Amino acid sequence: EAGVVQSPRYKIIEKKQPVAFWCNPISGHNTLYWYLQNLGQGPELLIRYENEEAVDDSQLPKDRFSAERLKGVDSTLKIQPAELGDSAVYLCASSGDRSTQYFGPGTRLTVL
Amino acid sequence: GENVEQHPSTLSVQEGDSAVIKCTYSDSASNYFPWYKQELGKGPQLIIDIRSNVGEKKDQRIAVTLNKTAKHFSLHITETQPEDSAVYFCAASRRSYIPTFGRGTSLIVHP
Repeated sequence: EAGVVQSPRYKIIEKKQPVAFWCNPISGHNTLYWYLQNLGQGPELLIRYENEEAVDDSQLPKDRFSAERLKGVDSTLKIQPAELGDSAVYLCASSGDRSTQYFGPGTRLTVL
Repeated sequence: GENVEQHPSTLSVQEGDSAVIKCTYSDSASNYFPWYKQELGKGPQLIIDIRSNVGEKKDQRIAVTLNKTAKHFSLHITETQPEDSAVYFCAASRRSYIPTFGRGTSLIVHP
């Protein structure tokens, strides 16, 4: 069974530029999560989807971050415009039972 | 909200020794406690979890213990091997299943 797929794996952009991350969860998993992981820290939740509905997005900085999960499968996380402080690893995870989470490899974003 | 403290931040052991990582949590309503292993350049991988109705769980060389009264839980790895070297995260969550993660423990197993 394929795991959670994320792309790109690495992204380097200049500040004020837009950037987008893509996630394909494990087949059949209705719950999808986006996390932010800073160096030396544990993951912090940005947004959680149940199917196509965002059910927990209180930690998402909505002035510059947006996310969508059309058709309740793939998801895209966007930052516009990016700031220096956005440099981090962005992790996607999915769950079939809303407890056990399976993480993708992450996208490492560097903002110059 | 939930606050999870994890220690030590770094743990260095010799191959074959045991390693213990400890976490405390603040929300008495938390009832699910997973542990993740994260290798360099990879996402966290679930290695073991425990729910609040159980005090201990084992899976080969790893075990987790939970003390709900004291609000702490621990990961035990026996007979450590170099491939156990990684960053380990504990987490705690309530019924909403949004885990709060600890800051991680970097485990180094010397051959």
